[in-house]
Amino acid sequence: GPKVLQIPSHQIIDMGQMVTLNCDPVSNHLYFYWYKQILGQQMEFLVNFYNGKVMEKSKLFKDQFSVERPDGSYFTLKIQPTALEDSAVYFCASSLGLGGPYAEQFFGPGTRLTVL
Amino acid sequence: GDSVTQTEGPVTLSEGTSLTVNCSYETKQYPTLFWYVQYPGEGPQLLFKVPKANEKGSNRGFEATYNKEATSFHLQKASVQESDSAVYYCALSDPNSGTYQRFGTGTKLQVVP
Repeated sequence: GPKVLQIPSHQIIDMGQMVTLNCDPVSNHLYFYWYKQILGQQMEFLVNFYNGKVMEKSKLFKDQFSVERPDGSYFTLKIQPTALEDSAVYFCASSLGLGGPYAEQFFGPGTRLTVL
Repeated sequence: GDSVTQTEGPVTLSEGTSLTVNCSYETKQYPTLFWYVQYPGEGPQLLFKVPKANEKGSNRGFEATYNKEATSFHLQKASVQESDSAVYYCALSDPNSGTYQRFGTGTKLQVVP
């Protein structure tokens, strides 16, 4: 079936540095999402993105976070600067539509971010 | 706004016993309902979805019926296996709300031999 890829699978950085997480969504999908999952906890919504714009974001999507998808390339999540509490697994997802059955989200395998 | 409430975990069951994970939802419209499963070390994946009220979805021995009157979509399995250990997310998507799919908080299931 359709696959979402995430690069890298694991990233270790020092607190205060910038990090960019990359996502290659399903090719014909239009809506893109990032989720955060702290170890041992459930997944939480961060942001969704469509047509070059953030549509909705949660309280977890701090000012240090930004997303973009320049020219149909990777959908990225940038954190600048990083903080210790940003350590988590970040999942990217994409969907064909926003509502109804086309809202089915396809998830990547996640990027484990460790902030030291 | 739209919301989903599901059984709080963790839930621990012995192999061969039955499972019910409750899911209730709130929405003003007629949503499509979903169950996703997240195995350890992986991203969530769709278990099944049901777009119409009073219909049943099923996959891998799991099933759920879209009950519009009760606004429920409970996940059931008659006999769980150790390989069913995972986190299960109930979700809804309203085709007319203009907003993204809402997930429940997830229910962690641990099946022991």
